Order: sequence, then C-alpha cells, then structure tokens
Amino acid sequence: GAVVSQHPSWVICKSGTSVKIECRSLDFQATTMFWYRQFPKQSLMLMATSNEGSKATYEQGVEKDKFLINHASLTLSTLTVTSAHPEDSSFYICSAQPRLSGGLRHNEQFFGPGTRLTVL
Amino acid sequence: KNQVEQSPQSLIILEGKNCTLQCNYTVSPFSNLRWYKQDTGRGPVSLTIMTFSENTKSNGRYTATLDADTKQSSLHITASQLSDSASYICVVSPFSGGYNKLIFGAGTRLAVHP
Repeated sequence: GAVVSQHPSWVICKSGTSVKIECRSLDFQATTMFWYRQFPKQSLMLMATSNEGSKATYEQGVEKDKFLINHASLTLSTLTVTSAHPEDSSFYICSAQPRLSGGLRHNEQFFGPGTRLTVL
Repeated sequence: KNQVEQSPQSLIILEGKNCTLQCNYTVSPFSNLRWYKQDTGRGPVSLTIMTFSENTKSNGRYTATLDADTKQSSLHITASQLSDSASYICVVSPFSGGYNKLIFGAGTRLAVHP
C-alpha cells in the first residue's frame, strides 16, 4: 500500500506554455499533499502545501500565480506551471500524507516518483 | 534556525563493504526522524522512521540509530550492493501539532563500485 503516482513522468515544453502535473494517492486518501522542487545535486525544496478543498499554502519566494495548485479530492492534487520559462526546468516531486483514520501512519509522507520538466 | 546537516557529502565504497552516514540536526522539539533513499531521477523512498523515544531501527541491511540527547543520527549499510548507489537523505519532522513540514538534509551521495 501507500503508492503515490505522478503524471507525466517527464515533459518538454516551449517557453511561455503551461504545464500541468498530476499527483495521485492510489490506495489511500490524503488530507494533505506537498509539492517539492529539486535542482540537480540539491535536496528537495518545499514549494507549497495543499489541503483538500482549501487554498494551498505557499513557501516564501514561491509565486502562487505561477505555480497553481488544485487539491480537488482526497486522492488528487495538481500543479500547473503557468507561462513556463527555462529557469522553471526542474524535478518536481509530490508527497501525500494519509488521513488520520486511514490505517497508515498519519505522520508519514509518501513520495511520488517525480516529474522532470524541461522548458526550451 | 532548524537545520539538518549530513556528512559526508559523498562517499565511494566497494561492493560488500559496510558504511555509515551521519546526520546532525538542531530541530527541537521534533516529532520524528526519517531516512530516505533517492535513486537518480526518482522520488525518495522511506527506509526508516524513528520517534524521539526510539534509538535504533532496522530495515534489512539498513540500520538507523538516533541519539536525541546529542541530536545525532546515523544510517549504517551492511554488505553494500551496487543497487545501494543513491542519495540518502536525513529528514526531520518538527513537532508542529499539525501537518508535517519536513526539514531535509542535503543528502549523502553514495556510490558502490564493483
């Protein structure tokens, strides 16, 4: 159990276009999902935290109008990179925290496999 | 400031050898400490998770230790295999009473050579 998927696994797009990345918890419900960005040879950096049905909380320095997050259900969160530019090229990783009553450790976070975004 | 520092930054060992990775943290109070393995181009995978009251936890050839007094943790890998080549990340979860905003170390990049 506790599988998190991301789609697509990689994407190449032209500068100025928007890209949507999906994060799904496949076998559990997640009250909270997290979006991270990772540059080469660096650790994960938290971008935003989203709770189902409410607005995301963004970390300092992360533009909420550029990185749109929607957490429409307990198993799906999406990150849309709007008007992407080459500097947005990175590895985007989501994680999901199970519901308290879900049978999994509530304080655990399960990570997706990541999405490699390349903006030309 | 809450910080997690790992050493060494990178490490090369021969297949079959043991190694120990270190993690020092200043997060206080904290809820739990985790070790993750991250293969290149993949998301992190949990190896161990320990609360402040636990001082050791094993997962196969991986054994993590925790000294909450000195705020140090280590990850020991026994009889290394080529597939152990990855980044190992120490992550501390502050005691926040709410959702887990994790604090990540920079990781140790381990290369196991034949």
